[in-house]
Amino acid sequence: EAGVAQSPRYKIIEKRQSVAFWCNPISGHATLYWYQQILGQGPKLLIQFQNNGVVDDSQLPKDRFSAERLKGVDSTLKIQPAKLEDSAVYLCASSLSPGYTDTQYFGPGTRLTVL
Amino acid sequence: AQSVTQLDSQVPVFEEAPVELRCNYSSSVSVYLFWYVQYPNQGLQLLLKYLSGSTLVESINGFEAEFNKSQTSFHLRKPSVHISDTAEYFCAVTRPTSGTYKYIFGTGTRLKVLA
Repeated sequence: EAGVAQSPRYKIIEKRQSVAFWCNPISGHATLYWYQQILGQGPKLLIQFQNNGVVDDSQLPKDRFSAERLKGVDSTLKIQPAKLEDSAVYLCASSLSPGYTDTQYFGPGTRLTVL
Repeated sequence: AQSVTQLDSQVPVFEEAPVELRCNYSSSVSVYLFWYVQYPNQGLQLLLKYLSGSTLVESINGFEAEFNKSQTSFHLRKPSVHISDTAEYFCAVTRPTSGTYKYIFGTGTRLKVLA
């Protein structure tokens, strides 16, 4: 079974530029999550999708971050414009459903450096 | 608000020695508890979880954790570590929030096993 795929693995941009990350979850997983992991901290949930609908985006900085999952499969997270404090690893995860008994499977992450 | 505290940011231990990684949580309601492991350049993987029932849970690679409600702890232990256990370990808690489950992760403990 293929795992969660993410691309690119690494990205370096200058502040005020735009960047986009892509995630393809495990086949059949209805729930998709984007997390931000700043160095020295645990992952923080940015947004959660159930199929193509947003379940929780309370911690997403909506003035600069956006995410979509148009067909209920893969997803894109965008930052526009980027700030220095956005330097982090962006993790995508998926699960069969949003229930607490369903394991979240994580991708390898995209490491973003904003200069 | 719930939170997760991992007091030890780094734990060095010699191979074949026992180890305990500490995790405390704060919540006024029932929670579900998890330990995730992150090997270098990989995504997080579920190690074990406590949902209900026996307070002692085990993983397939020799780790175990005990849910202690009175002390609000979920410490991770292994009686004899291997070099391959070198990784970062994250404790997480979740509880129902607006019809779904939001994970709160601790800041992580970096376990380094020395030869």
